Amino acid sequence: SQKIEQNSEALNIQEGKTATLTCNYTNYSPAYLQWYRQDPGRGPVFLLLIRENEKEKRKERLKVTFDTTLKQSLFHITASQPADSATYLCALDGYDNNDMRFGAGTRLTVKP
Amino acid sequence: DTAVSQTPKYLVTQMGNDKSIKCEQNLGHDTMYWYKQDSKKFLKIMFSYNNKELIINETVPNRFSPKSPDKAHLNLHINSLELGDSAVYFCASSQASYGYTFGSGTRLTVV
Repeated sequence: SQKIEQNSEALNIQEGKTATLTCNYTNYSPAYLQWYRQDPGRGPVFLLLIRENEKEKRKERLKVTFDTTLKQSLFHITASQPADSATYLCALDGYDNNDMRFGAGTRLTVKP
Repeated sequence: DTAVSQTPKYLVTQMGNDKSIKCEQNLGHDTMYWYKQDSKKFLKIMFSYNNKELIINETVPNRFSPKSPDKAHLNLHINSLELGDSAVYFCASSQASYGYTFGSGTRLTVV
C-alpha cells in the first residue's frame, strides 16, 4: 500500500540553525511533491511545490529537494526563527492533481 | 477577502443527526476537495470534485456526500452522524498543478 512517512514527529532546534525535515514514500510515483505549514487551529498553508523532474526548489529561506530514486524529499529552513515553529506536512499528488495525500507531519519548535 | 471559507467553524450535534458544512472559494479554481483531520492530526482526503468528475476515497462511508451547486461551492452533507465522525473537516481548492488553498476548518463534535 502507498505510504508517506515523515521521519520525525517532533523536531527541536535552536534559533539561527537550519531545520531539515524528511519525507519518504513507498509504492508511489508522484508527479508533484508539496510542503505545507499548519499552525494550531488553522488550515494548512501551501509553501512549495516540486515536480518529479526537478531536483531542487528554493523560496526565500526555504529549500526543497526531491530524489525520485531514493523516493525522498528534504525540506530545509535556513536561519530558523521562533516564528517558524509549526507543523510541516509533506504531500504527494499524481498527474491528475486531484488526489493529494499527506504525511503525518513534523512538529518543528525553534527555541530562542 | 477570504479565499476559501467554510461555515460553520464549530458544530456540535447529537448522534443520528444530519448536518451540512458549507464551503465557498473565490479563487476561480476548477477543483475543490474535502479533507478530514482526525485527533492524531492526520489529514485524509475524502473527495475531490471538479465540474467533470467526482472522485471519492473508497474508505469514506456513503453517509457522507458532497454537493456542488456551482464551481465555487462544495458542500458536505453527513447523514446519521456517529461519534467517530468527530474531527476537523477542511475544504480546499486548486487550479491545475499548483498548491492547494485550504479553508480554516470546521470542528465537528458528535455527542
